[in-house]
Amino acid sequence: EDKVVQSPLSLVVHEGDTVTLNCSYEVTNFRSLLWYKQEKKAPTFLFMLTSSGIEKKSGRLSSILDKKELFSILNITATQTGDSAIYLCAVVKAVSEKLVFGKGTKLTVNP
Amino acid sequence: DAGVIQSPRHEVTEMGQEVTLRCKPISGHNSLFWYRQTMMRGLELLIYFNNNVPIDDSGMPEDRFSAKMPNASFSTLKIQPSEPRDSAVYFCASSDRDGSYEQYFGPGTRLTVT
Repeated sequence: EDKVVQSPLSLVVHEGDTVTLNCSYEVTNFRSLLWYKQEKKAPTFLFMLTSSGIEKKSGRLSSILDKKELFSILNITATQTGDSAIYLCAVVKAVSEKLVFGKGTKLTVNP
Repeated sequence: DAGVIQSPRHEVTEMGQEVTLRCKPISGHNSLFWYRQTMMRGLELLIYFNNNVPIDDSGMPEDRFSAKMPNASFSTLKIQPSEPRDSAVYFCASSDRDGSYEQYFGPGTRLTVT
């Protein structure tokens, strides 16, 4: 059975801290891995990772994929209160393009 | 672009009633997905369509749930009869199968069945 596991489930930090969110997966027919940010509404897209070892970066956020060890990390540096959200990891299955989601990491950034 | 549009945004109904959720995908996208999100189970894929054809409905919990996509710009998810355990946020998402596979989510419908 396909599985995407995120850790930690929740995290509370202070503004300015750096955080690392983890996502491991066991999915047949892997195509790519996506990171989403979910605040109060719908998930919004952050990154898509397809190749191992290539870092994707957007401002203070960055992410990398390891297809040998079957995991990805999402780093957020100099966190701000606006980073408070649930961060979802999802694996796209090849051919079917189904997304298999993890349960998410709830990040709270306190001032 | 208006993005994925869902209606209603909130629905409160009594057990046993029929509920219909609606979705308009992004114009030009050829894949449409229905998800359910709860605290306990996270985001679960219910069913998805490609070019209006249902491809995989293995996530549909039971026969009380049905989904249709009569054309490229409209889909419905129906629950009949509804039960309290169906209470959740239902998201619709669309993607361009020939593009990046990134799925764009609608704002969701929060369903409460009393």
